[in-house]
Amino acid sequence: GNSVTQMEGPVTLSEEAFLTINCTYTATGYPSLFWYVQYPGEGLQLLLKATKADDKGSNKGFEATYRKETTSFHLEKGSVQVSDSAVYFCALSDSGGSQGNLIFGKGTKLSVKP
Amino acid sequence: NAGVMQNPRHLVRRRGQEARLRCSPMKGHSHVYWYRQLPEEGLKFMVYLQKENIIDESGMPKERFSAEFPKEGPSILRIQQVVRGDSAAYFCASSNAVQGNNEQYFGPGTRLTVT
Repeated sequence: GNSVTQMEGPVTLSEEAFLTINCTYTATGYPSLFWYVQYPGEGLQLLLKATKADDKGSNKGFEATYRKETTSFHLEKGSVQVSDSAVYFCALSDSGGSQGNLIFGKGTKLSVKP
Repeated sequence: NAGVMQNPRHLVRRRGQEARLRCSPMKGHSHVYWYRQLPEEGLKFMVYLQKENIIDESGMPKERFSAEFPKEGPSILRIQQVVRGDSAAYFCASSNAVQGNNEQYFGPGTRLTVT
């Protein structure tokens, strides 16, 4: 079945450091890929998405490229801020099917220190 | 433009009681999804509903859990005879489910604690 594997946290970085959070997936067909962010005590917010191979999603300085050959969708940011501290979830949607539900990784907690 | 609304935000129930969680989708959205997040875990899909129809309930426990999305009013996730293992955050998401663009918008969640 479909699944998402992302690097375990927690990840602790200093402000302005480079961030990479790895995400790989297993899926039949051609899923859409997403990164969601969850701030403490809040629900999930869509950070970025990509719907086909080689697409690059970007938002708020974060980027991720849909790599079909490596089945990956790694999240990157060149210079993190304290306000980026949150839990990041990689997810896929087999939107070609009738279900459309999202399948999530376990989440990676990021802490950015001043 | 209000986002997805969930209430209550926090719910405490004793073992054996019933829990009712409500979700109002974003305006214009007719598709609702419920997910459960256990501590230190990612979200797990439970059920996908359209107005008056359950489309996919493959993630719902077979007993004690039910969901509905009536023609009028919010979607309801109902848990009967709650047990401690039901303690979790329950998130609702909505979409207009255009094929090939399944962008879901999440509510703030209901945190259920069973004592």
